[in-house]
Amino acid sequence: DAKTTQPPSMDCAEGRAANLPCNHSTISGNEYVYWYRQIHSQGPQYIIHGLKNNETNEMASLIITEDRKSSTLILPHATLRDTAVYYCIVTGSNSGYALNFGKGTSLLVTP
Amino acid sequence: NAGVMQNPRHLVRRRGQEARLRCSPVKGHSHVYWYRQLPEEGLKFMVYLQKENIIDESGMPKERFSAEFPKEGPSILRIQQVVRGDSAAYFCASSPQVEQYFGPGTRLTVT
Repeated sequence: DAKTTQPPSMDCAEGRAANLPCNHSTISGNEYVYWYRQIHSQGPQYIIHGLKNNETNEMASLIITEDRKSSTLILPHATLRDTAVYYCIVTGSNSGYALNFGKGTSLLVTP
Repeated sequence: NAGVMQNPRHLVRRRGQEARLRCSPVKGHSHVYWYRQLPEEGLKFMVYLQKENIIDESGMPKERFSAEFPKEGPSILRIQQVVRGDSAAYFCASSPQVEQYFGPGTRLTVT
C-alpha cells in the first residue's frame, strides 16, 4: 500500500470549511484514496473515496490532484460534531482493500 | 437498515481464558474485516474474510488468534489463552465491495 502523510493536528472554526490535506506520492494506478474518521473511541466512520476524479457526497468533498499524488478532504461547514481524527488511506484490490490506518489528523472544531 | 453489530460491547477475561468476539455484518455484505486498536494507538488490520474463506490474515498474530465467517451466522474472532497485552478495542467492518462500514467495537479487558 502507498503511504500517506497528514498533518498531526488542525483547528477550524465552527461554520467554516475544514480543508484536510494528504500526500500520497507513491500511489499506484489501481489504488483508491479513502477518508475515514474516528470520533473519540467509536468505530471509524467512512466518509468518501475516489480514484482520480473529484467526488462529493452529503458529508464532504474529495479533491484529488491531477497527478494523484495528493488530495484534500473538504468539510464545507464544520460543526462541533466534526471534531475527530481523520484518516487518509490509500488501498486497492491488491491488498483486498484492507485499511492501513496511520496517525491521521486530529481536527478540532472550535465554537 | 441495521448497521454492523458487534457483541459483546465489553468483555472481561482473566489471563488464560478464551475470548469470542462476534460480528454481524450489514445484510448483504459478504466481506468482513477485523481490526485491533491498542490503547493510545491506531487501528491495525488483522484479517479479511469472505463467506467461509479467509482471504488475508497477514495482520493476525500467528498463535492464539483465529477468525471465521461461516456460511450462516456472524463472523467470530477467537482469542485463546488471553494475555494482558490482548486488552484492546476490536472493531469489525463489513463491505459490499470497497468501502467499509465499522461496528461499535468490542472492548476486551484482560485481568
